[in-house]
Amino acid sequence: EVQLVESGGDSVQPGGSLRLSCVASGFRFDRYWMFWVRQSPGKGLEWLANIKEDGSERYYVDSVEGRFTISRDNAKNSVYLQMNGLRVEDTGVYYCARGGFAVWGQGTLVTVSS
Amino acid sequence: QSVLTQPPSASGTPGQRVTISCSGSNSNIGGGFVNWLQQFPGTAPKLLIYSDDQRPSGVPDRFSGSKSGTSGSLAISGLQSEDEADYYCVAWDDSVNGWVFGGGTKLTVL
Repeated sequence: EVQLVESGGDSVQPGGSLRLSCVASGFRFDRYWMFWVRQSPGKGLEWLANIKEDGSERYYVDSVEGRFTISRDNAKNSVYLQMNGLRVEDTGVYYCARGGFAVWGQGTLVTVSS
Repeated sequence: QSVLTQPPSASGTPGQRVTISCSGSNSNIGGGFVNWLQQFPGTAPKLLIYSDDQRPSGVPDRFSGSKSGTSGSLAISGLQSEDEADYYCVAWDDSVNGWVFGGGTKLTVL
């Protein structure tokens, strides 16, 4: 079964850090771009970052550039999102998705609050 | 403010045909493809249409996509109660070097 499973979501204070993980199964992970997408409470979807199959290219939305880092480990079929300098407005459900948006994880909740 | 513009809501009665629009620009829809996602409350999005008008396997042919210039459209024919969901368009944008989403359209089946 083709699947993505995220983990690492938690409640943190503003300025804190979190590392999200997403483990893939059921497909050749190293043949796909991977994305992170966020959905703030009651709001729409927002693309945050993506990474090329071999990790050689990475792109970020302006609002997280310099604070978030996407990375991957093809040997572990995993993609990560290191989030530093978290802000209240970073609160939301974080999804990883396979390139093309055909496969999504179930999401992991990040809450940033004092 | 989303880069791609969708109506916030749409509605129809069972059996009707409804369309949802997605307006963009030459840097996104006009220069590439538009995709459509369906999302039910509390669940992850699901790919409904890719590359303007292609349906992944398993998506009923009641769902169709089209594109004209810098705008895309999602059409749902033979509307069913289980189609009540949020629908999002998404496209690659060359000017921001990233993916941009529409704000989403909440479809209500009356």
